[in-house]
Amino acid sequence: EVQLMESGGGLVQPGGSLRLSCAASGFTFNTYWMNWVRQAPGKGLEWVANIKQDGSEKNYVDSVKGRLTISRDNAKNSLYLQMNSLRAEDTAVYYCARAGAKLELRDWGQGTLVTVSS
Amino acid sequence: DIQMTQSPSSLSASVGDRVTITCRANQGISNSLAWYQQKPGKAPKLLLFAASRLESGVPSRFSGSGSGTDYTLTISSLQPEDSATYYCQQYYNIVQTFGQGTKVEIK
Repeated sequence: EVQLMESGGGLVQPGGSLRLSCAASGFTFNTYWMNWVRQAPGKGLEWVANIKQDGSEKNYVDSVKGRLTISRDNAKNSLYLQMNSLRAEDTAVYYCARAGAKLELRDWGQGTLVTVSS
Repeated sequence: DIQMTQSPSSLSASVGDRVTITCRANQGISNSLAWYQQKPGKAPKLLLFAASRLESGVPSRFSGSGSGTDYTLTISSLQPEDSATYYCQQYYNIVQTFGQGTKVEIK
């Protein structure tokens, strides 16, 4: 059974930093693209970033470029999102998601809440 | 980036009704479209991919169609457990985008 477990969310002040983690199990982690998707309170889904199987390619939505960095450690079956220079508009539940063969988002974690507020 | 426009933003229908949600891209996406269902407080769930391919375990009352820029999610006979928000998503471009969502309520 595929399992994705996010952690690392919490309350952070504007301008602060946070690192999210996603522990993966139940599949061969290093053979799948991985993604971060977020959802602000009461709002829709926003795709944030993805990373290729070997970490050689990373893509971001424009609003987070230069501030959020996606990475992975295939030896630890883990996905990360380093979040710097956080803004109030980054407040959201952050989901990690495993991509399918065509990059559709096949499996999702339960999400971790990030709140940016003073 | 590719913009995805969903309609309607919300709808209310009775059990047994046929429900249709549309999604339009601002450029062709070659059937690289997925539909997700999200219930309150839960993670989204993949329903269909490649515009019309049903994900394993998803009831057959859900179907998808379309091509080019215009796509449709149909629920052939609405059930109480289908009350949720539905999102389309394009993955034609490596920078993926979602529609704004359609909230489906049961009358």
